[in-house]
Amino acid sequence: EPEVTQTPSHQVTQMGQEVILRCVPISNHLYFYWYRQILGQKVEFLVSFYNNEISEKSEIFDDQFSVERPDGSNFTLKIRSTKLEDSAMYFCASSVVAGKNIQYFGAGTRLSVL
Amino acid sequence: AQKITQTQPGMFVQEKEAVTLDCTYDTSDPSYGLFWYKQPSSGEMIFLIYQGSYDQQNATEGRYSLNFQKARKSANLVISASQLGDSAMYFCAMRGTNTGNQFYFGTGTSLTVIP
Repeated sequence: EPEVTQTPSHQVTQMGQEVILRCVPISNHLYFYWYRQILGQKVEFLVSFYNNEISEKSEIFDDQFSVERPDGSNFTLKIRSTKLEDSAMYFCASSVVAGKNIQYFGAGTRLSVL
Repeated sequence: AQKITQTQPGMFVQEKEAVTLDCTYDTSDPSYGLFWYKQPSSGEMIFLIYQGSYDQQNATEGRYSLNFQKARKSANLVISASQLGDSAMYFCAMRGTNTGNQFYFGTGTSLTVIP
């Protein structure tokens, strides 16, 4: 069964460093998303991406964040200068455009900022 | 704005019994979708079931069913014949058709199945 894959599963970084989280969405999906979940809290939307551009973003997704689809398969989230409060689980998801638009999530990347 | 409320932070159920996890929502969108996800201790988010706001019948997927009461704005998840592997966090989520494709999640319910 096709699935969304995310790498790495755990990323440890120093405050102020740049990190790139990687995702390979399901191959025939056209909509891609990033969400985050701070430990013990609910899942929060960051950004959605369609047709090679951002279609929606939340207030959390400030200038420190960027997304890119560098090739035909990968979808990346970059945090330019990490802060302690960026520590969270980051989920990538993808969906087909039409119909129920069920979003399928990857297993997540746990980001720890020290 | 969309809002999802899950009022049960933790639930316990005996193995083989049925359990209902509550979810209420608030939206001004005329059309929307409701979703339930399971998050085991390993952390991944697993899609369980979907209900469209215009669907006439309650959704069912194997042991999962959704008790959708539109007038009450509730979309409770019913798990029948609970298994030990059902122990996990369960999140209710909503997507409104007038508010793009982003999901709004509730705070989750932690379900523990007791042998």
